[in-house]
Amino acid sequence: EPEVTQTPSHQVTQMGQEVILRCVPISNHLYFYWYRQILGQKVEFLVSFYNNEISEKSEIFDDQFSVERPDGSNFTLKIRSTKLEDSAMYFCASTNREFNTEAFFGQGTRLTVV
Amino acid sequence: AQKVTQAQTEISVVEKEDVTLDCVYETRDTTYYLFWYKQPPSGELVFLIRRNSFDEQNEISGRYSWNFQKSTSSFNFTITASQVVDSAVYFCALSEARRGGAGNMLTFGGGTRLMVKP
Repeated sequence: EPEVTQTPSHQVTQMGQEVILRCVPISNHLYFYWYRQILGQKVEFLVSFYNNEISEKSEIFDDQFSVERPDGSNFTLKIRSTKLEDSAMYFCASTNREFNTEAFFGQGTRLTVV
Repeated sequence: AQKVTQAQTEISVVEKEDVTLDCVYETRDTTYYLFWYKQPPSGELVFLIRRNSFDEQNEISGRYSWNFQKSTSSFNFTITASQVVDSAVYFCALSEARRGGAGNMLTFGGGTRLMVKP
């Protein structure tokens, strides 16, 4: 069964460092998403990406964040200068239709900023 | 703006009991989609069900059933004869039919942690 894969599963970084979280969406999917879940809290939307551009972003997704689809398979989330409050689980998701379909989530990357 | 509320933060039941997880949503759109996801202790998000706003038929899948009522803006989830393996956090979520690539943007509720004891 096709799946979304994320790497690494866990990343520890020092405050102020840049991190790149990587995702490989399902191959025939066209719509890509990043979500964040601070420990013990709800899952929050960060950004959606379609046709090589951001289609929507939340208030959380400020100038420190960026997304990219550098090739035909990867979808990355970059945090330029990490803060302690960026510590969270980051989920990538993809869908094959614009709406009325379930999002397939990766297993998540746990980011710990120290 | 869309909003999903799961008033029960934690529920504890004994195995074989039935349990209902509540979900109330708010949206101004007439076309929207409702979802339930399960997050087991391993942390991944597992899709359970999708419902569109035009389909109020209840659904049953094995021990799981869902009750969608537009009149009360609720989409409740019942597990019959619960098992220890059902222990997880369950999230209800909503998306609106938006054009331009964000149509599947999900707004999640706060989640309900279900603990099923043997």
